[in-house]
Amino acid sequence: NAGVTQTPKFQVLKTGQSMTLQCAQDMNHNSMYWYRQDPGMGLRLIYYSASEGTTDKGEVPNGYNVSRLNKREFSLRLESAAPSQTSVYFCASSERHSLSGNTIYFGEGSWLTVV
Amino acid sequence: AQSVSQHNHHVILSEAASLELGCNYSYGGTVNLFWYVQYPGQHLQLLLKYFSGDPLVKGIKGFEAEFIKSKFSFNLRKPSVQWSDTAEYFCAVSSGGSYIPTFGRGTSLIVHP
Repeated sequence: NAGVTQTPKFQVLKTGQSMTLQCAQDMNHNSMYWYRQDPGMGLRLIYYSASEGTTDKGEVPNGYNVSRLNKREFSLRLESAAPSQTSVYFCASSERHSLSGNTIYFGEGSWLTVV
Repeated sequence: AQSVSQHNHHVILSEAASLELGCNYSYGGTVNLFWYVQYPGQHLQLLLKYFSGDPLVKGIKGFEAEFIKSKFSFNLRKPSVQWSDTAEYFCAVSSGGSYIPTFGRGTSLIVHP
């Protein structure tokens, strides 16, 4: 059981380049999330998708777009990468974001460096 | 908005020492509480969680946490740490309306053999 799978694991981008981080989950979860992790800042929510066909902004959405392609897949796109977007990105999923007891399961992370 | 404070940013212990990591949150209503662990180079894994019932929660690897509602706290404890507990620990809290957890900034634990 793979859980949450995200690709690529490592990426170096030049300022202004674009890229898409891919994420898929095999737990039949309704809700999916993208977080970024920065030293001393913990995890901050970028975007989430409550269910297939919906997406909403989190705490730090600027510079990002997302697509909930189907129930399994939730991608994160950087249209014009900036050095401030150097971070570790985690995709996550849960059964349903609106229920008490909502427990989030994380992917293994994508290390992104923007030079 | 919910906020989560982890008071200890870096903790260094020797093996067999006892551990307590603090976590406080701001919201006064019904909350869900979590501790996650991130071993070096790995993703976050759930250590334990509290939704309701007994405020003393036991998790994996000998960890436990106590929910004290009056203090808005959910501190993580382990009686005797091991070198393999070296990791970063995150407290997270969610509350009604949208149960998406807010994470604390994390505590880096180093255990010397």
